[in-house]
Amino acid sequence: DVKVTQSSRYLVKRTGEKVFLECVQDMDHENMFWYRQDPGLGLRLIYFSYDVKMKEKGDIPEGYSVSREKKERFSLILESASTNQTSMYLCASSLRDRGAAFFGQGTRLTVV
Amino acid sequence: QKEVEQNSGPLSVPEGAIASLNCTYSDRGSQSFFWYRQYSGKSPELIMFIYSNGDKEDGRFTAQLNKASQYVSLLIRDSQPSDSATYLCAPNNAGNMLTFGGGTRLMVKP
Repeated sequence: DVKVTQSSRYLVKRTGEKVFLECVQDMDHENMFWYRQDPGLGLRLIYFSYDVKMKEKGDIPEGYSVSREKKERFSLILESASTNQTSMYLCASSLRDRGAAFFGQGTRLTVV
Repeated sequence: QKEVEQNSGPLSVPEGAIASLNCTYSDRGSQSFFWYRQYSGKSPELIMFIYSNGDKEDGRFTAQLNKASQYVSLLIRDSQPSDSATYLCAPNNAGNMLTFGGGTRLMVKP
């Protein structure tokens, strides 16, 4: 069975903290994605990675960075968390040439 | 202009009716499309993939693609309350960068 696992379901962090959101997939997928989802704004792409150590900015990369040191793991980093980064974060993965994505369960991050 | 546009809804239909969900896109290079369903509080799940003009049917679901008019639609026949969810359209773009429309919330009333 396809599986994308995010490290936390709920997370509460303080303003200014460095935050790591981890995502692991067990399907040997080349592509991995980080999205955030907010009411009324839909699903917005933050970063996309198509291979180890490779990344591309999505629609809203500001305030975020990513790391992909191994094929199965894609990390989203909030260098200095701010309250406007309170959101639902979704990780997804897909095969390179067949873009159907499978999603993790999501991490609801609250920055206080 | 956003790459993919969807009416946010809510679209309300009675149980047993046909629900019609539409998506327009701006990139003429988009060759294929995905439809995802997202229940409240859950992650999106893939329900349909269409890559050629015309209709593709899967059970109660039919996806329609019209590349000349740049729209893709999803029809749900015999709508059930369990179909109540947000439906997201996504073009399968070159480079596999997957971006989504804002989604249409469907409500099926018993």
